[in-house]
Amino acid sequence: SQKIEQNSEALNIQEGKTATLTCNYTNYSPAYLQWYRQDPGRGPVFLLLIRENEKEKRKERLKVTFDTTLKQSLFHITASQPADSATYLCALLSSNTGKLIFGQGTTLQVKP
Amino acid sequence: EAQVTQNPRYLITVTGKKLTVTCSQNMNHEYMSWYRQDPGLGLRQIYYSMNVEVTDKGDVPEGYKVSRKEKRNFPLILESPSPNQTSLYFCASRPGQGRYEQYFGPGTRLTVT
Repeated sequence: SQKIEQNSEALNIQEGKTATLTCNYTNYSPAYLQWYRQDPGRGPVFLLLIRENEKEKRKERLKVTFDTTLKQSLFHITASQPADSATYLCALLSSNTGKLIFGQGTTLQVKP
Repeated sequence: EAQVTQNPRYLITVTGKKLTVTCSQNMNHEYMSWYRQDPGLGLRQIYYSMNVEVTDKGDVPEGYKVSRKEKRNFPLILESPSPNQTSLYFCASRPGQGRYEQYFGPGTRLTVT
C-alpha cells in the first residue's frame, strides 16, 4: 500500500542548531515533493517544492533534499530559532494520480 | 491581500442539519481543494476542482458535496452531517499552469453532535 511517513515524535532541539526532519514514502512515483509549515489552529503554509530530478533546494535557512532511490526527503532548518517551532508537513504530488498526498507531520520545538 | 477565506471559522451543529462551508480565493487560481484534518490521520483530501464546473473526488468524499460555479468560490456541502464528520476543514487553492504550491485557508472547526 502507499504510505508517507514522517516521524510522529516531536523533535526538540536547542536554538542555533540544525533541525533535520525526515519524510519517507513507499509505492509512490512522486513528480514533486513539497514541505509546509503549520502552526496550531492555522492552515498550512507552503515553504518549498522540489522536483523528482532535483537533488537539493534551498531557501534562506531552509534546505530540502530529495532521494528517489531511497524514497526519502530531508528538510533542514539551519541556525534554528524558537520562532521555527511548528509542525512541518511533507506532501507528494503523485505522477500517477495527480493528487497531493500529505504526511502526518513532525512537530519541531526549538528551545532558547 | 492574496488569500483564501473560509466561513464560518467555527460551527457547532446537530446530526442531519444541512450545512455549507464557503471558500473563496482572490488569486484567480484554477485548482481548489477541500481537506479535513484529524489527529493521527493528517490532512486528507475530500474533493478537488480543476476549473469551473470540473470537480472530482479525493480520498474521503463520502458524505460531502461540492460545486464550482465560479472560479473564485468552492463551497463544501454536508447534506446530512454526522458526528464522524467532526473535524478541522481546510480549503486550498493552487495556481495551475505548472505551479503546484497550495495556499490554504484559515480552517473551519466543525462539531456535529
